Amino acid sequence: AQSVTQLDSHVSVSEGTPVLLRCNYSSSYSPSLFWYVQHPNKGLQLLLKYTSAATLVKGINGFEAEFKKSETSFHLTKPSAHMSDAAEYFCAGGTDKLIFGTGTRLQVFP
Amino acid sequence: DTGVSQDPRHKITKRGQNVTFRCDPISEHNRLYWYRQTLGQGPEFLTYFQNEAQLEKSRLLSDRFSAERPKGSFSTLEIQRTEQGDSAMYLCASSLSNNQPQHFGDGTRLSIL
Repeated sequence: AQSVTQLDSHVSVSEGTPVLLRCNYSSSYSPSLFWYVQHPNKGLQLLLKYTSAATLVKGINGFEAEFKKSETSFHLTKPSAHMSDAAEYFCAGGTDKLIFGTGTRLQVFP
Repeated sequence: DTGVSQDPRHKITKRGQNVTFRCDPISEHNRLYWYRQTLGQGPEFLTYFQNEAQLEKSRLLSDRFSAERPKGSFSTLEIQRTEQGDSAMYLCASSLSNNQPQHFGDGTRLSIL
């Protein structure tokens, strides 16, 4: 069985400081893992995808994520937060249907 | 705009009424997915299609729910005899094939009075 756990429901950072959003997964096989961002009343936008080609995945808007099999983690990072990064972020895994985490709300303070 | 399109964006209806939502996927995408998202939660899988074939249905999809993709292009999701618990955002996504990224529409928000 596959599951995705987002460890923080809320993360607050100051503009210009690093962002870390944590995601752990469990799977009996090598997973495909994704990070999506959702702005209010909008659908989900794909940030990046891991499919075993490289453990460090670069995405859009300066985000990247590192797959660590030993830790079953796929944390999302960004070196410097921008006000426009404030949104809900979802980690997801799966090959057909996606299993989503419960989301992390990122707040960015000026 | 060649993204996933959903209609309507918002639907308000009385309990017990039937509602139907439409999803137009990205044109060359063979896979089409429906998810439901309630407030403060991540999306939950409902069902998906490969072309016109419905390949999997979640047990979340009760007998009151039915989805179709008759010509392998657009899809409809119908809810009969709506209940308060059906209030949610219904999201549609499409992908080129298995294991390819899913691209989401902006969803249909359903409110049951």
